[in-house]
Formats: sequence, C-alpha cells, structure tokens
Amino acid sequence: NAGVMQNPRHLVRRRGQEARLRCSPMKGHSHVYWYRQLPEEGLKFMVYLQKENIIDESGMPKERFSAEFPKEGPSILRIQQVVRGDSAAYFCASSPRKNTGVNEQYFGPGTRLTVT
Amino acid sequence: GQQLNQSPQSMFIQEGEDVSMNCTSSSIFNTWLWYKQDPGEGPVLLIALYKAGELTSNGRLTAQFGITRKDSFLNISASIPSDVGIYFCAGMNYGGSQGNLIFGKGTKLSVKP
Repeated sequence: NAGVMQNPRHLVRRRGQEARLRCSPMKGHSHVYWYRQLPEEGLKFMVYLQKENIIDESGMPKERFSAEFPKEGPSILRIQQVVRGDSAAYFCASSPRKNTGVNEQYFGPGTRLTVT
Repeated sequence: GQQLNQSPQSMFIQEGEDVSMNCTSSSIFNTWLWYKQDPGEGPVLLIALYKAGELTSNGRLTAQFGITRKDSFLNISASIPSDVGIYFCAGMNYGGSQGNLIFGKGTKLSVKP
C-alpha cells in the first residue's frame, strides 16, 4: 500500500540548469497537487492536475515553471533555468476526489531542491 | 487572497501536558485539515473536518471546525515525546476547479529542556 512517491529526494542544480521533479500518486488517486515550502514557512499551493489536464495553476509562476500529469507515468514539475530563489522543498499530494466531498490530500516526502 | 493565522508559533511541552493550538481565517472554508510534519519529511494528515461545528478525535488528538467556518483548533492530550514536530492547519474550499489547500505557518512543538 504505497503512499505518494516523489523522486529525487534531493536535487542540486547550478543556476541556469533545469530541474525535473517527479511524483507518483497513491494507487487509485487521480488528482495531483504541487506545493512549495520555504524554510520556517507553511506550504504554498502551485498547481492542481488531473490526468492530462491542468485544473488550476494559479499558484505557479508564469515563467520557467511547468507541470504535467500524463496519461501514463508520474506527474512532473519542471523548472527551467533555475535561480537561487527556487531553492525550496517541493511537495506533491494526491487525492481521490470523491464526489462525496471528501478530499483529503496525502503528501509525499518531498524533493529538496538546492540551486548553487 | 485567503490568509490563515496559526497560533502559537511555537510552544514547549512537558510530557503529560495537554496542548492546544488554533487557526483563524480571513474568510470561510468548507474543509479544515490538520497535518504534522517531521524534519525532512512530508506533512502527515492527522484529522479532516468537513462540517461547521464538527468535533473529531484521532487517539489523543481532537480537532474542531468552528461554527463560523473561519477557525479550527487542535488539542493534544497527555503529550508524549513523539508529539514533537510542526503542526499545520490547512483550509480548503472544495468544489469546481478549486482544491488547493491554504496552509498556516505552523506551530512548532518542542520538549521543555
């Protein structure tokens, strides 16, 4: 009964490189959310996806950031041309999104991105 | 946008003490969730609340969804050392294209020296 999987757990990139973060939701979950957490802060919403659809990307920076959740495979958060300010922990959550209104989100262990 | 104020920011506990923390919002939510986060890990869901006035327990943890739908509290009874960590409240308005959680800044629980 695997939970939400994220990899890599730690990622170091130099300024200007690309970062790719992967997330596999819990079995049976079709909704994925990405959040960013800075030290000593709460999590901040970035993007909400279903399979092959971006539902809400209101929290994602307009430039350099993109996300996808293909029909097959994990969800990917992609950061192009990383800058030092992108250093943070990135968390993925998934939910079953039942019609009953129950919408508990379960989080993965996160990817800690460090930009040098 | 919606903001959550979580208090206290930090507190020290002695084993056996009861602990209380709360969150208030500038606007209403239809869902409140409480999470605990240990260093280097992701948040773990503790309690989910879906109705105004709802009081829900999970072992030694009890949480309530405020009647105004703008607040929630979490109580931990008879604390033990493994309760140490950061507790986050999160609110959500579920429906349509909405589904993102809005998080408080956390309450850090530490052991009294």
